[in-house]
Amino acid sequence: NAGVTQTPKFQVLKTGQSMTLQCAQDMNHNSMYWYRQDPGMGLRLIYYSASEGTTDKGEVPNGYNVSRLNKREFSLRLESAAPSQTSVYFCASSEAAGAWTEAFFGQGTRLTVV
Amino acid sequence: SQKIEQNSEALNIQEGKTATLTCNYTNYSPAYLQWYRQDPGRGPVFLLLIRENEKEKRKERLKVTFDTTLKQSLFHITASQPADSATYLCALDKGGSYIPTFGRGTSLIVHP
Repeated sequence: NAGVTQTPKFQVLKTGQSMTLQCAQDMNHNSMYWYRQDPGMGLRLIYYSASEGTTDKGEVPNGYNVSRLNKREFSLRLESAAPSQTSVYFCASSEAAGAWTEAFFGQGTRLTVV
Repeated sequence: SQKIEQNSEALNIQEGKTATLTCNYTNYSPAYLQWYRQDPGRGPVFLLLIRENEKEKRKERLKVTFDTTLKQSLFHITASQPADSATYLCALDKGGSYIPTFGRGTSLIVHP
């Protein structure tokens, strides 16, 4: 099993450009998450999806949108990239909400906005 | 405000010693607490989960304690090895939510 797969691994954008970060999991998990990780700030939750068809804002949702395309896939979109969105982005998944277990993370997407 | 605090300074220890990392929290009443390991350029990897009604959990050379009175978790690695060098993150739920909130992590460096 691949676990959680993120694409791309690296990306450079110009300010104002848009892009979508893709995430897919093959563990039949119900819940999926997008985090960003910045030096000295730790992992911060952007958006999450408790189950297929639902999405909710996390701690730092501004400037982002998400789509839970199906149970496997959860994408993160930057509509108009800003330098403040330069970060490492991690997608994660876990079993059904309300029965907390471990989160499985992807390998990350390193995004630079110039 | 709610805070999760991990020592921002790196912990340097000699091989074979026990490493002890601390996770303190304020204004939370978590139902669980987790520890993850993160290597440079990689995503975090789950290590251990401890629930609020458990005092201690062990897995091989790892031990986690959870003191809800002190609002603190200690993470121990016994007989540490250079391969244990990494950043260790604690995560807990926001009381009533299953969403994990992470601390900033502590870097552990084990010297041969």
